[in-house]
Amino acid sequence: SQTIHQWPATLVQPVGSPLSLECTVEGTSNPNLYWYRQAAGRGLQLLFYSVGIGQISSEVPQNLSASRPQDRQFILSSKKLLLSDSGFYLCAWSAGGETQYFGPGTRLLVL
Amino acid sequence: GENVEQHPSTLSVQEGDSAVIKCTYSDSASNYFPWYKQELGKGPQLIIDIRSNVGEKKDQRIAVTLNKTAKHFSLHITETQPEDSAVYFCAARWGGGGADGLTFGKGTHLIIQP
Repeated sequence: SQTIHQWPATLVQPVGSPLSLECTVEGTSNPNLYWYRQAAGRGLQLLFYSVGIGQISSEVPQNLSASRPQDRQFILSSKKLLLSDSGFYLCAWSAGGETQYFGPGTRLLVL
Repeated sequence: GENVEQHPSTLSVQEGDSAVIKCTYSDSASNYFPWYKQELGKGPQLIIDIRSNVGEKKDQRIAVTLNKTAKHFSLHITETQPEDSAVYFCAARWGGGGADGLTFGKGTHLIIQP
C-alpha cells in the first residue's frame, strides 16, 4: 500500500530564516505531487505541483519554491521566511488520476 | 478555472441525527467530486468521491449526491456519532488543466453534540 510522509511535524522559525520541508511517498511510482498551505480556519491553497522529476509548476507567486530531486520526494523551500508564511503545510500525491491523498502535514510558525 | 462554494461553514447536530453539507461548483466541465474529512492537527482524509456519470453513491453512513444540471453536490451523514466531529472539505476537478485540477471549498466544521 502507499504511504506519504512529511517532516518535520512541527517547526518554529524566526523571520528571515530559511525553510526546508520534505515529503516522500512510498509504494507507488511516478506520482503527481502537490504542496498545499492551509491557514488557520481556512481552506486549502495549492502552492506547487509536479508531474515528474524536475518538473514544477507554481500556482501562487510568493517567496516559496519547490523541488523534486527524486521520483517520490518533494521539497518545499524558502530562502527568507515571512510572518505570513505561518500555516499548516500539506503534501499530497495522486496516481495521475483524480484522487489526491494527503500527508500528515507540517505546522510552521514564523516568529 | 473552477470556483467551489461550500455551506454551511459550521454545522452543529445532535448525536444520532443526520448532517448535510452542500457545495456548488461553477465549471460545467468538472467531472470528479471528492469529499475529505480533516481532524484537528491532521491531514485531510478522503471519505467518499463521486464521478459525473453517477448521481448518488453510498458507503455505510455516508452518501454523496450530485446534481449536474444545478451544479451542486452534497454530503449526507446519517446516525451521526461523536467521531464524526471534524472539518469536511468538498472539491471539484475541473476539466481545464493540469495537476488534476482540484479546487477545494473552504470547509465545514461539523460538531456532534452528545
